Amino acid sequence: DIQMTQSPSSLSASVGDRVTITCRASQSISNYLNWYQQKPGKAPKLLIYAASILQSGVPSRFSGSGSGTDFTLTISSLQPEDFASYYCQQTYGTPPYTFGQGTKLEIK
Amino acid sequence: QVQLQESGPGLVKPSETLSLTCTVSGSSVRNGNYYWSWIRQPPGKGLEWIGVVSYSGSTNYNPSLKSRVTISLDTSKNQFSLKLSSVTATDTAVYYCARVRVGPSAPIDDWGQGTLVAVSS
Repeated sequence: DIQMTQSPSSLSASVGDRVTITCRASQSISNYLNWYQQKPGKAPKLLIYAASILQSGVPSRFSGSGSGTDFTLTISSLQPEDFASYYCQQTYGTPPYTFGQGTKLEIK
Repeated sequence: QVQLQESGPGLVKPSETLSLTCTVSGSSVRNGNYYWSWIRQPPGKGLEWIGVVSYSGSTNYNPSLKSRVTISLDTSKNQFSLKLSSVTATDTAVYYCARVRVGPSAPIDDWGQGTLVAVSS
């Protein structure tokens, strides 16, 4: 199985901050990488797919980059509604299509 | 606007079979632009991909669960289902049904609200 490692596992930041979350794959996955946001008690929501394509309706302060094994999710200016957990997911090759362990973004 | 809704027992006894159904509205499970998937999340933990079924009924499962999992499609009811046999306490989780968009990186673009299934005697 391809292992996905996110860092950091948790992060404290303030409204208006620029935040970056990283996701590293145990082998090259090209750009088969998605990012999701999950708020407590809710289902995850798709933010970015194919490493860098913004899902329709998602604010432009979210962006994704990377290819191969290293990927980043950046929030350019944190808003109060962005405090949540974030997960990366790889969909390369044969299943399972594993998720990272998550990054919890908290208010400082 | 697509909606996915999980249904099934919230409590299952150890060694029995967990059975869940996902009812889809606003999208057809026969639409070749989508696959249909199950994902679970143990309380306080991360997401685990269980498996997927295509519009033609072909399936792919997580190898760690493959011997116990069946995902199937019911096109007449626009539903898909999950069966997980021989459950133990480690199968306690929120189970999500979801729609996977065929295309670049096959993202999960819509999710059900999730249903908590506890395994306990």
